[in-house]
Amino acid sequence: DAGVIQSPRHEVTEMGQEVTLRCKPISGHDYLFWYRQTMMRGLELLIYFNNNVPIDDSGMPEDRFSAKMPNASFSTLKIQPSEPRDSAVYFCASRPGAGTDTQYFGPGTRLTVL
Amino acid sequence: SQKIEQNSEALNIQEGKTATLTCNYTNYSPAYLQWYRQDPGRGPVFLLLIRENEKEKRKERLKVTFDTTLKQSLFHITASQPADSATYLCALDLNQGGKLIFGQGTELSVKP
Repeated sequence: DAGVIQSPRHEVTEMGQEVTLRCKPISGHDYLFWYRQTMMRGLELLIYFNNNVPIDDSGMPEDRFSAKMPNASFSTLKIQPSEPRDSAVYFCASRPGAGTDTQYFGPGTRLTVL
Repeated sequence: SQKIEQNSEALNIQEGKTATLTCNYTNYSPAYLQWYRQDPGRGPVFLLLIRENEKEKRKERLKVTFDTTLKQSLFHITASQPADSATYLCALDLNQGGKLIFGQGTELSVKP
């Protein structure tokens, strides 16, 4: 199993540009989570999906952030327009269905907004 | 307000000793508590899960305790090795569809 795959691994962009982060969860997993990690705030849950449906997006900081999961094997997190304070490491994680609580994290995307 | 607190300072110990990491929480009622390990530049990796009705869980050199009265979990690594050096995160599972609330993490350094 390849594990959770994220791309790109690093992204450097300028303020105001659109950024799209991509995630491929582990095959057969029903849940997908997007997190953001910074030194100041630690690891924060942004949004999660169950069977491709967004369940809780209360962690999404503002309207500039949006996430989609068009099918079971792909999700995107988009920031438009990006700001320097969005600089962080963004992780995607997936989890099998109910009854299994372990989350499997991807390697993360390090985003730098200049 | 709701809070999760882990040892704020980095923990430095000698190889062979037992490392003990603390996770305290307030105003949460977790159904489970999980511990993850994170190495620099990588995503967290699951280590152990303990349920609210369990007092203790063990896996090889790892031991976790969970006291819902004190609202505290302790994470022990016995016979520590330099390879155990990493950041350790505790996470509360509120049994709300898999949503986890993570602590800030404790950085552990094991010196040979």
